[in-house]
Amino acid sequence: AQSVTQLDSHVSVSEGTPVLLRCNYSSSYSPSLFWYVQHPNKGLQLLLKYTSAATLVKGINGFEAEFKKSETSFHLTKPSAHMSDAAEYFCVVNIRGGAGGTSYGKLTFGQGTILTVHP
Amino acid sequence: DSGVTQTPKHLITATGQRVTLRCSPRSGDLSVYWYQQSLDQGLQFLIQYYNGEERAKGNILERFSAQQFPDLHSELNLSSLELGDSALYFCASSPRTSGGTQYFGPGTRLLVL
Repeated sequence: AQSVTQLDSHVSVSEGTPVLLRCNYSSSYSPSLFWYVQHPNKGLQLLLKYTSAATLVKGINGFEAEFKKSETSFHLTKPSAHMSDAAEYFCVVNIRGGAGGTSYGKLTFGQGTILTVHP
Repeated sequence: DSGVTQTPKHLITATGQRVTLRCSPRSGDLSVYWYQQSLDQGLQFLIQYYNGEERAKGNILERFSAQQFPDLHSELNLSSLELGDSALYFCASSPRTSGGTQYFGPGTRLLVL
């Protein structure tokens, strides 16, 4: 079974300071990991994804995440927060399966971290 | 804009009623997924279709059903609605070689009164 734990339900930072959103995953197989962002009353937008290539993944809007297999973590970071980063962030896992391990199925979402950015 | 469209954007209905939510996937994507987002349950997978056939089921109630049509659009049917069915319903689609990436529509917000 696969699961995702986001370690903080709320994170509050000041504009211009670093952002760290923490995520741990559990998976028996090689996972694909994602971060999605949801702005208020909006849909889900893909920030970045890890699919077993480089362990440091760069995404949109200056975000990046590092896959650490030994720690089963996939934390999301950004060097300098902007007011427009205020949103809810979801860490997501998808497990490769099917015949020959070539297909993917459902996404399993963490509970979400609400990021607040203060001026 | 992800390229996935969902209609309607908002839906208000009464308990006991039936509604249909519609989703058009990105051009060329064969897989369609439905998810429910509620305050108490978070984001949960409901069901997946691939090229017209049901591929996987999640926490989908028996009162709910879905189908994918030959033109690849999908519909989620919710019947005998209860107050607890009020939620945001997302559709997502993915191409065959996406590495598991799914692209989400804007969602349909359902309010059951």
